[in-house]
Order: sequence, then C-alpha cells, then structure tokens
Amino acid sequence: EAGVTQFPSHSVIEKGQTVTLRCDPISGHDNLYWYRRVMGKEIKFLLHFVKESKQDESGMPNNRFLAERTGGTYSTLKVQPAELEDSGVYFCASSQDLRSTDTQYFGPGTRLTVL
Amino acid sequence: KNQVEQSPQSLIILEGKNCTLQCNYTVSPFSNLRWYKQDTGRGPVSLTIMTFSENTKSNGRYTATLDADTKQSSLHITASQLSDSASYICVAKNNAGNMLTFGGGTRLMVKP
Repeated sequence: EAGVTQFPSHSVIEKGQTVTLRCDPISGHDNLYWYRRVMGKEIKFLLHFVKESKQDESGMPNNRFLAERTGGTYSTLKVQPAELEDSGVYFCASSQDLRSTDTQYFGPGTRLTVL
Repeated sequence: KNQVEQSPQSLIILEGKNCTLQCNYTVSPFSNLRWYKQDTGRGPVSLTIMTFSENTKSNGRYTATLDADTKQSSLHITASQLSDSASYICVAKNNAGNMLTFGGGTRLMVKP
C-alpha cells in the first residue's frame, strides 16, 4: 500500500512568488491534514479536511494560505504571495476515520525556502 | 493553552544502552497521548497511542507510559540500536476536534 506522498520535496522561491504544494493521501482515507514546522519550532496544525470539506482551519496563519481538496482525493496548499516567515517543512497526513485514536500517517514533507 | 514540553532536547547514548525520554503536556480536554519517531528527511511515524485509561503500551523495544493525573508521559527504549537515531516527538490530542499538539521533540543519537 502506498503511503502519503507529497510534491515537491523541496521548493525554493523568492519573496512575493506563489508556490503550490500537493499531497496525495493514502487511498480511501477521508481525513487529510496539513501541518508545518518552521525553523526551531514544533510541528503545528494548519487544517483538516474530511473528504472535500474543511473540518477545521483554525491553524491557517493568514489569508495568504489557501488549501483545497476538490473531489476529496489529493489536496493542494497554495501560498500567495510567499513571505520569508513561510519557510519551513510542510507535512501532510491522512487517516481513515474520526476515531479519537485513529493513526495519522504522515508524508515526507515539502521543504519550502523563501528567499 | 495546549502545550507539550519534552526533555531532554537531545541525547547521545551508546548502542545497546537503554534510555528514557520525558514529556509533559497540558491539553484539555485530554483524549490521548502519542509518540512518533521521525527520521531525518522523513515524516513522523506513529509508535504508540495511549488513552487516559492506559498507563503503559509497548511496541517492540519501545515502551511508553502515561500518568494522566500528573500529565506526564515517557518513552523508554531498550537495547538501543543505531537505527534508533531519530527525533522522538510527543503529541497530545484533545477531545475537541482532531487537532494534535506537538512537542519540540528529543533528538536521539545512538553511537556504536
């Protein structure tokens, strides 16, 4: 079974540019999560999709971030325009259902560098 | 405010030795406590998940403990191997939604 995949693995862009990150969850997983780790800090929650609907987007830092999951399969996270403080590693995770003990499976992350 | 604190920040041990990593959490209302292992350049991988009613859970050479009264957890690694070198992250989940609160991790290095 394929795990969670993320693309690209690395992205280097200049301040003010736009970047789109993609996440493909494990097939059949309705729940998809975005997290990020900025330099020297802990991983923080960004948002949670259940199928194509945003269940919780309380962690999104500001309106420069837009997440979509059209069709309830893969998801994209767009940053427009990117700022220096957006640099970090963006992780995607997926889980099968909403049991409290449901395991979240993480992708390898996308390392974003904004110059 | 939900928070997870881990100690030590980093640890170096010799292959074959045991070690214990600590985690304190303030998450309310508390649902469960998770330990993840994260190898360099990879995403976190779940090791254990414990609810408030469980006080110990093992996964091979990894044993996690949970004291829901003192809001403390530990991860004990027995007979360490070189492949145990990684960051170990303590994560708490609350009952209000599916959000996870992550600790900063303990970076473990196992030397031959």
